Amino acid sequence: RKEVEQDPGPFNVPEGATVAFNCTYSNSASQSFFWYRQDCRKEPKLLMSVYSSGNEDGRFTAQLNRASQYISLLIRDSKLSDSATYLCVVNQAGTALIFGKGTTLSVSS
Amino acid sequence: GAVVSQHPSRVICKSGTSVKIECRSLDFQATTMFWYRQFPKQSLMLMATSNEGSKATYEQGVEKDKFLINHASLTLSTLTVTSAHPEDSSFYICSVLLAGGSSYNEQFFGPGTRLTVL
Repeated sequence: RKEVEQDPGPFNVPEGATVAFNCTYSNSASQSFFWYRQDCRKEPKLLMSVYSSGNEDGRFTAQLNRASQYISLLIRDSKLSDSATYLCVVNQAGTALIFGKGTTLSVSS
Repeated sequence: GAVVSQHPSRVICKSGTSVKIECRSLDFQATTMFWYRQFPKQSLMLMATSNEGSKATYEQGVEKDKFLINHASLTLSTLTVTSAHPEDSSFYICSVLLAGGSSYNEQFFGPGTRLTVL
């Protein structure tokens, strides 16, 4: 079983749509959770951290369910510029990040 | 956050040559850096953890004699791909661990080095 699993997609949505990505992780000792965004042929960049209480940053909402070892990302009012691969990432303090394979989003006009 | 640079950004070399990739933390002293590799349409895979002043810790399946890591200072780690072969062609990315008193430790990535071995 892979440590971090994501639906690879692609998710093809029109501008303005709401889209949700899900992720599961296998290591119950994971302490930190993130969503990264990676554009084609670029390095990943932190989109947002994910907290147990859930957190929101503009059009982006992240949720964490520790009991189910499940993480989600909701994007509202999708923009063309949101087209990218979204990586679910977990780690324990001081260790390397464990990446999912990513979910590809394509937003069209 | 930390600013991380990598050099070169892109390299094309012949099979059998060695390639050195530098990862620099420009505004932060990093005792720990990580080296990842990403093949097309795959996730980033950790290759090794680079600790300043000590030997790197390699992940299972990564040949330490082929991928030489040197972390001689708090701002520089190098990855040398020795006797590169076409199957080593990949996107190599380093990250810097920003450790602090918070409950999580943020990492900052370099821009990556795209290696193509002919």
